[in-house]
Amino acid sequence: NAGVTQTPKFRVLKTGQSMTLLCAQDMNHEYMYWYRQDPGMGLRLIHYSVGEGTTAKGEVPDGYNVSRLKKQNFLLGLESAAPSQTSVYFCASSYSERGGLETQYFGPGTRLLVL
Amino acid sequence: KNQVEQSPQSLIILEGKNCTLQCNYTVSPFSNLRWYKQDTGRGPVSLTIMTFSENTKSNGRYTATLDADTKQSSLHITASQLSDSASYICVVSAGYFGNEKLTFGTGTRLTIIP
Repeated sequence: NAGVTQTPKFRVLKTGQSMTLLCAQDMNHEYMYWYRQDPGMGLRLIHYSVGEGTTAKGEVPDGYNVSRLKKQNFLLGLESAAPSQTSVYFCASSYSERGGLETQYFGPGTRLLVL
Repeated sequence: KNQVEQSPQSLIILEGKNCTLQCNYTVSPFSNLRWYKQDTGRGPVSLTIMTFSENTKSNGRYTATLDADTKQSSLHITASQLSDSASYICVVSAGYFGNEKLTFGTGTRLTIIP
């Protein structure tokens, strides 16, 4: 039982390049989330999904797209990377709705540097 | 605007000592409050979740308290160990059932020295 895994662990991009971050969970959770963590700020929700085939915008969705084609996977895409997207990205999953009493399980993070 | 403020920003204590971390929040309507531990280079891990009706909750050497009237929470760590060195994040959930939103604090960076 690996929990929540993220690929890649670290990536360097040039401004304007695109990339996809992959999140996978093996806990059969319905809900999945993408957050970003920046120095001096709390984690901020980018997008989330309440089930296979569904996605919704979070607090800071601009510049990102997501897809949830399979229940266990949640992809975060950057179509044209900008230096402001330099951050640590965390994926999380939970059994039921966000904010409820269900614990969110976080992945180890992806460190992204945009030059 | 929902806000979560944590203090202190950083704290250094000797191994074996106790410490208390603070969390003040301004959210409405309050749903629940969580404490997470985040080791360097890792994702956050849940320590406790407390609802409006809970004043205290323990998880081993970690004890969280909640005062919903003053909108304050604390995380007390007893007999600290080197492995307690981490950031501790307070997270408050606000909203009505099915439409809750989490607000994350910026964390307290705790360093335990031998």
